[in-house]
Amino acid sequence: DVKVTQSSRYLVKRTGEKVFLECVQDMDHENMFWYRQDPGLGLRLIYFSYDVKMKEKGDIPEGYSVSREKKERFSLILESASTNQTSMYLCASIGGGGKNIQYFGAGTRLSVL
Amino acid sequence: AQSVTQLGSHVSVSEGALVLLRCNYSSSVPPYLFWYVQYPNQGLQLLLKYTSAATLVKGINGFEAEFKKSETSFHLTKPSAHMSDAAEYFCAVFTGGGNKLTFGTGTQLKVEL
Repeated sequence: DVKVTQSSRYLVKRTGEKVFLECVQDMDHENMFWYRQDPGLGLRLIYFSYDVKMKEKGDIPEGYSVSREKKERFSLILESASTNQTSMYLCASIGGGGKNIQYFGAGTRLSVL
Repeated sequence: AQSVTQLGSHVSVSEGALVLLRCNYSSSVPPYLFWYVQYPNQGLQLLLKYTSAATLVKGINGFEAEFKKSETSFHLTKPSAHMSDAAEYFCAVFTGGGNKLTFGTGTQLKVEL
């Protein structure tokens, strides 16, 4: 089974802090994604990466950055957390071969106070 | 650009009743369509996917969806609801270009005794 692991289920941070959300997948997938999920808005893509050190902006990249130094790990960084970044963050990965199935982690619920 | 619209942010059914969750898509090319389910405090799990092989797609937990090109729809159904089906359901379309998915805003399913 594919496993996508997010390092924290719950995080509480203060405004202005630098926040790191970590995601690791164990299936040697090329593509990885970060979404945020808000009630009534569904999932919105923040950033994705199709290879090590490669990244592309998604639909809502403002206030976020990412890092992919190793194939299995994709980090989301909030440079200076703000209250409007309080949300559920979901990581996903997808392999090649035309299967097109994204596998998701359990999510990190971030509260910025 | 491909997109999906989910009609009804909340649906309530009685246990044993038919479940119908609606999804309409917009796509200029033959779409790849997905239904995902999210149980409380968990990530998303794939229910089923349509990739043009067959218009009626069967998924896990007794769910199925029918692709109707003339109606641009991909509604999710289950003949008899169970309490364990209570969750949030997301329709998504494969956007291509990096294996991206675009999600609908979600439908919360409530199952009552």
